[in-house]
Amino acid sequence: GQNIDQPTEMTATEGAIVQINCTYQTSGFNGLFWYQQHAGEAPTFLSYNVLDGLEEKGRFSSFLSRSKGYSYLLLKELQMKDSASYLCAAMDSNYQLIWGAGTKLIIKP
Amino acid sequence: DAMVIQNPRYQVTQFGKPVTLSCSQTLNHNVMYWYQQKSSQAPKLLFHYYDKDFNNEADTPDNFQSRRPNTSFCFLDIRSPGLGDAAMYLCATSPRTSDTDTQYFGPGTRLTVL
Repeated sequence: GQNIDQPTEMTATEGAIVQINCTYQTSGFNGLFWYQQHAGEAPTFLSYNVLDGLEEKGRFSSFLSRSKGYSYLLLKELQMKDSASYLCAAMDSNYQLIWGAGTKLIIKP
Repeated sequence: DAMVIQNPRYQVTQFGKPVTLSCSQTLNHNVMYWYQQKSSQAPKLLFHYYDKDFNNEADTPDNFQSRRPNTSFCFLDIRSPGLGDAAMYLCATSPRTSDTDTQYFGPGTRLTVL
């Protein structure tokens, strides 16, 4: 079956670095997406990886290992506004997104 | 700015009273999706349109219907809302090009069923 696993909740300190891990199993693979979702709002696109390696976008970076079915989202210099849920989603061979339930990130001062 | 728009942002309906949610896009994307999302859960795909081709998920209840009269607009009809249908309804679009198929979301409609 198709499945996404990511931690339910993480806590980090303002100014620190946090890594949110995601493992996936899909029928075929057309890339791995990370979305940010603030409470009561819609998901907003953060990153897309389809090749192995690290993609950096400002304070956010995303890593993919296709052979391991593994990705992580790295957030640096954490700010209070980064408190949100982070959703991992893998695209299968039919271009369907298989979604994780999200990791709720709590930032403490 | 190109965007995905959903109306209304908040909808209250009564048990069993039909309701229609709307979505429009200025991105000229081929694909439009409707998701249901309940608190602390992953978005659940209800159906999607690839151009005019309608694709229903196997576990989407018959109570949910959709219409896409043109490229820009897509509607979600809930024929007889139950208490379990209270959720955030998310519309998304994607270009479905060969390079990437990133989905972009509208702000969502939060549905309350009384």
